[in-house]
Amino acid sequence: DSGVTQTPKHLITATGQRVTLRCSPRSGDLSVYWYQQSLDQGLQFLIQYYNGEERAKGNILERFSAQQFPDLHSELNLSSLELGDSALYFCASATGGGSLGTDTQYFGPGTRLTVL
Amino acid sequence: GQQVMQIPQYQHVQEGEDFTTYCNSSTTLSNIQWYKQRPGGHPVFLIQLVKSGEVKKQKRLTFQFGEAKKNSSLHITATQTTDVGTYFCAGLASGGSNYKLTFGKGTLLTVNP
Repeated sequence: DSGVTQTPKHLITATGQRVTLRCSPRSGDLSVYWYQQSLDQGLQFLIQYYNGEERAKGNILERFSAQQFPDLHSELNLSSLELGDSALYFCASATGGGSLGTDTQYFGPGTRLTVL
Repeated sequence: GQQVMQIPQYQHVQEGEDFTTYCNSSTTLSNIQWYKQRPGGHPVFLIQLVKSGEVKKQKRLTFQFGEAKKNSSLHITATQTTDVGTYFCAGLASGGSNYKLTFGKGTLLTVNP
């Protein structure tokens, strides 16, 4: 158990819908990262937040957005969902706000999104 | 754009045999990280390599970062069934103030007891 929690575990929805994925980082960690893992694309970095501010951006679509709240939990919002958005979405947390890829990241168990 | 190729895609070994996975980047990397993901699980950080030519060991695992900082390898000596999983590399490339983190597709290791 990494100490990172994600809810929900599974989500099934229809095309065109909007969903929100939630992540609570490990106690004391200020950075939250979001990743998408699909069979064809592999693991892709989406976005990083540090202490409430966006720190780095990866391959995040415009239909997706994220934020980190004062209590440091983070939410990833996915809208106008398409079949191709079906994937595992992981969040990870890290202690510092170091440049992307320099801190040890602890991954949560993931949310499996299925778009029908 | 930056690409990170990882080979092989799959590797099946007998318990006790050695295993190696290779990562090659199309661009020079600032650092490289290695992760392990068990079937049905989440990625777990293994190690980070930063220096050119760096070699790090963790028990039976040996990690290398190439001199040109464009390739890396993970070698497992005398595999055990607990080594089963997918091993990913993640390369960080910088371009000015921008950083790009790219994961390899991973190598799925299965071990026959």
